Amino acid sequence: EIVLTQSPATLSLSPGQRATLSCRASQRINNQLAWYQQRPGQAPRLLIYDTVKRDAGIPDRFSGSTSGTDFTFTISRLEPEDFAVYYCQQRSNWPYTFGQGSKLEIK
Amino acid sequence: QVQLQESGPGVVKPSQTLSLTCSVSAGSISSGGYYLTWIRQFPGKALEWIGYIHYSGSTYYNPALRSRVAMSVDTSKSHFSLSLSSVTAADTAVYYCTRDSPGGYFDVWGRGILVTVSS
Repeated sequence: EIVLTQSPATLSLSPGQRATLSCRASQRINNQLAWYQQRPGQAPRLLIYDTVKRDAGIPDRFSGSTSGTDFTFTISRLEPEDFAVYYCQQRSNWPYTFGQGSKLEIK
Repeated sequence: QVQLQESGPGVVKPSQTLSLTCSVSAGSISSGGYYLTWIRQFPGKALEWIGYIHYSGSTYYNPALRSRVAMSVDTSKSHFSLSLSSVTAADTAVYYCTRDSPGGYFDVWGRGILVTVSS
């Protein structure tokens, strides 16, 4: 099973700032990684898939990149509604697995 | 846009079978060729992929749960179902049904249903 390790566990920033979250895979996953946003009381929402592709209707302030088994998710300029928990997920190998989540909180 | 809605009991006794249904609306199970997936979220917020079912009936389950899981689909009623047997407190979670599209990613989610295993 592929293990995804996210960091940091919590990131405290202010609206307007840039946020960078990381996800490290325990083995190569050929860029088959997605990022989800989960607000309190809601289901996760797909933002990014295949490392860099934005799902329909997702603003371009959200982006993804990779270097080998390290994946980065960036929000270029934080809006108030962006403060939430973010999860990475791989589909390279079954069973599909998720990272443990990173909480983005208002400073 | 396809919409998904989970239903079922909110409390299940230990050793019994958890049974949930996911109703599909504003779309057809058999269109698009996508897979329908169950995912659960534990109280500590970790997410676990349970498995998928295609409208044709083909399935794939998480090996960690394979001995206890069964999924089925009823295309005439536009719903699909999850059964998890021999539950324990460790199965307490919010259960989501999702659409697996594009393959292996989950772009449509139900609202989720909290299932508590307790006597």
